[in-house]
Amino acid sequence: DQQVKQNSPSLSVQEGRISILNCDYTNSMFDYFLWYKKYPAEGPTFLISISSIKDKNEDGRFTVFLNKSAKHLSLHIVPSQPGDSAVYFCAARLSNQAGTALIFGKGTTLSVSS
Amino acid sequence: KAGVTQTPRYLIKTRGQQVTLSCSPISGHRSVSWYQQTPGQGLQFLFEYFSETQRNKGNFPGRFSGRQFSNSRSEMNVSTLELGDSALYLCASRWTSGSPNTGELFFGEGSRLTVL
Repeated sequence: DQQVKQNSPSLSVQEGRISILNCDYTNSMFDYFLWYKKYPAEGPTFLISISSIKDKNEDGRFTVFLNKSAKHLSLHIVPSQPGDSAVYFCAARLSNQAGTALIFGKGTTLSVSS
Repeated sequence: KAGVTQTPRYLIKTRGQQVTLSCSPISGHRSVSWYQQTPGQGLQFLFEYFSETQRNKGNFPGRFSGRQFSNSRSEMNVSTLELGDSALYLCASRWTSGSPNTGELFFGEGSRLTVL
C-alpha cells in the first residue's frame, strides 16, 4: 500500500525549459510535504517543503504546489539546468505522539540536456 | 558544521551473518532516523530514535533493530542477513525543537550493504 506515489520514473527536459515533477498521496493525515534531490553515491538533500495548510511555496527556481482536494503536489523547476539532473523524491510527513516519519515516493529521475 | 556521518560506507556480508551500522548526527540534532533504499522500493522508513528511545518504527521484521546513545549517536543492526537485505542504508537527523519545524531531515551518504 503505497501512500506516496511518483508515477513517472523518469523525465527528460531541455535546459532552460520548465521541469514539472508530480506526486500523489493517499493519507489525509500528512502535515508536511517535502522534496529531496539525490545524486548517485550521495544521501538525499532537502530542496523545499510545504505545509498542508498552504497551496504554494517558492524558493528561487523551485516552486511546490499542493492541491489538497486532489491529494496531489508538484515541483516546478524554472529554468531547468543540467546540474538539476538527479533523482527527485517526494516525501510526506506523518507525525503522532510517538514520533515522526517521512514516507517517500520511489523517485523520478530528471535528465536536463544542454 | 559537520554533516551526518555514517560508517562504514561499504561492506560485504554473507547470508546468515549480522551487521552493525553506525551514524553520528549533526551536532545538536537529537533525533535520528534510519531508512533503507532499494531500487525497487525507494526509501523506506525503518525507525526513529530520540533521547535514546525508539519513537517510531516502520514495517520491517524484528531482525532489524537499533539503538541510540546518550550523545545521540545511533547504531542499527541487522541479524541473520538475507540476500534481500542488500541495500543502501541511510541515516538522517533533524532538529526537534524551535520553529518552524518542518521535519526536514539531513541525510548522511549511506552505508552500502551487499549480502552474498
